Amino acid sequence: KAGVTQTPRYLIKTRGQQVTLSCSPISGHRSVSWYQQTPGQGLQFLFEYFSETQRNKGNFPGRFSGRQFSNSRSEMNVSTLELGDSALYLCASSFYGASSYEQYFGPGTRLTVT
Amino acid sequence: ELKVEQNPLFLSMQEGKNYTIYCNYSTTSDRLYWYRQDPGKSLESLFVLLSNGAVKQEGRLMASLDTKARLSTLHITAAVHDLSATYFCAPVGGSNYKLTFGKGTLLTVNP
Repeated sequence: KAGVTQTPRYLIKTRGQQVTLSCSPISGHRSVSWYQQTPGQGLQFLFEYFSETQRNKGNFPGRFSGRQFSNSRSEMNVSTLELGDSALYLCASSFYGASSYEQYFGPGTRLTVT
Repeated sequence: ELKVEQNPLFLSMQEGKNYTIYCNYSTTSDRLYWYRQDPGKSLESLFVLLSNGAVKQEGRLMASLDTKARLSTLHITAAVHDLSATYFCAPVGGSNYKLTFGKGTLLTVNP
């Protein structure tokens, strides 16, 4: 069974640009969550999607947005990039069945903003 | 808002020794996750603890959950160098599905 995939793995952007990151969950998983990891703030929750609906949202500015498609693949978009957006962006895939609460993380996209 | 405190944040230990990492959280949580992260890598799932008194073991690692004390522990037995990594706990608060992570414990096991 393939794991969670994220593309691209590495990205370098300039301040003011926008970026789109992609996450493909494990087959059959309908929930996708996004997290930002930085040395200063640690791991912070961005948002969670389930069946194409945003179910939870973290405390990030509106420049951070996401969506989920009917095949459960998810994208997150960051507009007007700032230096502080440099981070490792992780997505997690979950099934949330009656007896399963595992959240599996993808390899991450490392975004550098210059 | 759920707050998570892990301690210690840094742990240097010798091979063969035992130690415990503590994870305290501030509000009711119905499940708690432990993850491992190697430098430059993603998060590897170690344990999911679903109820009060839950204990899970895998190799030299054992995790437990006390929901009344709002405390989880990760116990390391007879540490080996391969266990060197950063360990995170992450409870889930309320009815949502958001993981709130601790700052992580950087474990270094020295020969």
